Amino acid sequence: AQSVTQLGSHVSVSEGALVLLRCNYSSSVPPYLFWYVQYPNQGLQLLLKYTTGATLVKGINGFEAEFKKSETSFHLTKPSAHMSDAAEYFCAVSVLGFQKLVFGTGTRLLVSP
Amino acid sequence: DTGVSQDPRHKITKRGQNVTFRCDPISEHNRLYWYRQTLGQGPEFLTYFQNEAQLEKSRLLSDRFSAERPKGSFSTLEIQRTEQGDSAMYLCASSPDTGMKNIQYFGAGTRLSVL
Repeated sequence: AQSVTQLGSHVSVSEGALVLLRCNYSSSVPPYLFWYVQYPNQGLQLLLKYTTGATLVKGINGFEAEFKKSETSFHLTKPSAHMSDAAEYFCAVSVLGFQKLVFGTGTRLLVSP
Repeated sequence: DTGVSQDPRHKITKRGQNVTFRCDPISEHNRLYWYRQTLGQGPEFLTYFQNEAQLEKSRLLSDRFSAERPKGSFSTLEIQRTEQGDSAMYLCASSPDTGMKNIQYFGAGTRLSVL
């Protein structure tokens, strides 16, 4: 079965600082990996995805993530945080042939001026 | 493309009452999913439809829960005899039915509060 672990329920950064949100996955077969963002009282918006091919994937709003099979990780980064990045971020995994997404517990990103 | 639409956005009900939520997926998407999200947790899969066929149900979906997608378009999720533990955000998502394009697009959710 697939699972996702997000280290740190809260991450605080200053505006302009590097953002690093950690995600480790468990899967017995090659995974598909996703990062979603959720703003208060809203649904989830896809930031980026990894399916196959290039292991460094770029998403919206300047975010990117790198798939590292040897470390079973898919950490999310952004070089310079903006106040508007404050939100809840979810890492998720699925595999080909299985339709459901399995989500981590989320990381709340706080950005201070 | 108007996105995934869910109605109502908020529902307050008393314990023991029945509630029904509606989800309208993106029009060309054949797959439709329901998830439940409780406070401080990530969404948890409930069930999924391919067109009108319900293909998978989670063990979270007790016999008080029923979901339908009668014409392969919109879907409804009904909870009978609601309990306080049913209080959560219910999220609907849709996706195309080709594997590499199986990206799920989420609606804004229906927040249920059971008093």
